[in-house]
Amino acid sequence: EDQVTQSPEALRLQEGESSSLNCSYTVSGLRGLFWYRQDPGKGPEFLFTLYSAGEEKEKERLKATLTKKESFLHITAPKPEDSATYLCAVQGGTNAGKSTFGDGTTLTVKP
Amino acid sequence: DAGITQSPRYKITETGRQVTLMCHQTWSHSYMFWYRQDLGHGLRLIYYSAAADITDKGEVPDGYVVSRSKTENFPLTLESATRSQTSVYFCASSVGGKETQYFGPGTRLLVL
Repeated sequence: EDQVTQSPEALRLQEGESSSLNCSYTVSGLRGLFWYRQDPGKGPEFLFTLYSAGEEKEKERLKATLTKKESFLHITAPKPEDSATYLCAVQGGTNAGKSTFGDGTTLTVKP
Repeated sequence: DAGITQSPRYKITETGRQVTLMCHQTWSHSYMFWYRQDLGHGLRLIYYSAAADITDKGEVPDGYVVSRSKTENFPLTLESATRSQTSVYFCASSVGGKETQYFGPGTRLLVL
């Protein structure tokens, strides 16, 4: 059974204070690891897909990295508009089409 | 440019009533999904569909029924609603089984 654990549950940062969110996973044959952003009252919005260990992707102040056991979402010099819940999900080789989601990390960036 | 839409956006019903939540996508994506999200938690898969007339159970299918007669529509029915089904329901679609999923705005369901 695929499992995803995200930490911390909540993170409060000052504007400009860089940090990282963690996503630990166990999966049989990783097909893909996904990061989503979810704003209050809205559906998740896609950020990144990572397919193999060592892969990295960047978008503005966000950078996602992947190892064989975990993924990190690095946030550099965050702004208040980066405040949201960040969700991690994995798809395993034995569950085509099925994604397993973590409970998310709620990020609050204070000005 | 509608993408993926859900209706209704808010629904209040009573225990024992049948409720149908609608999901429509304009991209002709093969895969469609239904998730529920309970307060403070991530998404749990209820059912998914790989194509029209092909559906499969997810992690929490009990009490729910789905159908997919057309590629663009994927309704979710609660045959006899229970209080434990109070949640936010999200529909999603993707091109293929391992591709990025695109989510609708959600339906907030309250069962009294």
